[in-house]
Amino acid sequence: DSGVTQTPKHLITATGQRVTLRCSPRSGDLSVYWYQQSLDQGLQFLIQYYNGEERAKGNILERFSAQQFPDLHSELNLSSLELGDSALYFCASRADSYNEQFFGPGTRLTVL
Amino acid sequence: AQSVTQPDIHITVSEGASLELRCNYSYGATPYLFWYVQSPGQGLQLLLKYFSGDTLVQGIKGFEAEFKRSQSSFNLRKPSVHWSDAAEYFCAVGAWDGQNFVFGPGTRLSVLP
Repeated sequence: DSGVTQTPKHLITATGQRVTLRCSPRSGDLSVYWYQQSLDQGLQFLIQYYNGEERAKGNILERFSAQQFPDLHSELNLSSLELGDSALYFCASRADSYNEQFFGPGTRLTVL
Repeated sequence: AQSVTQPDIHITVSEGASLELRCNYSYGATPYLFWYVQSPGQGLQLLLKYFSGDTLVQGIKGFEAEFKRSQSSFNLRKPSVHWSDAAEYFCAVGAWDGQNFVFGPGTRLSVLP
């Protein structure tokens, strides 16, 4: 158990819909990262937050957005969903004093 | 631009055999290197990491990796593979502050009984 939690574990929705994925980092970790893992694209970095502020952006679509709240949990919002958005979405957190990221169990999103 | 390559998409070994998974990187600054393992349906778990010092690092589950700066490589090894090692293995590189974290495409390991 990494200490990072993600909800929900599975999500099934339809094209055009909007969903919110939630991540709670390890206690005390200020950095949160979001990744998308699909069969054809591999593990893609989406976005990073540090103590509530956006720190880095990767291959995140404009239909996707994220935020980190004062209690350090983070949410990834996916809107106008397309079939191609079906993937595993991982959250990871990192402490300031270490470089490695600790990953949550992921949310499997299926868009029908 | 930083990148990580893992030349082997899929490797099959027999239980008890030795294992080496290859990783090559391209990184503009001092690389901090990692190996993660992902079991089916699970998140990624850190096996080991290299920041500095001894170029041979030990990790969990009996894995080790060797950093070779001249070859831009960070290969993962295990002397004797167990059936439970069947999983996907990812090499990654990042900066000291956690920025510019890049994962390789992964190598899927199958273990024959």
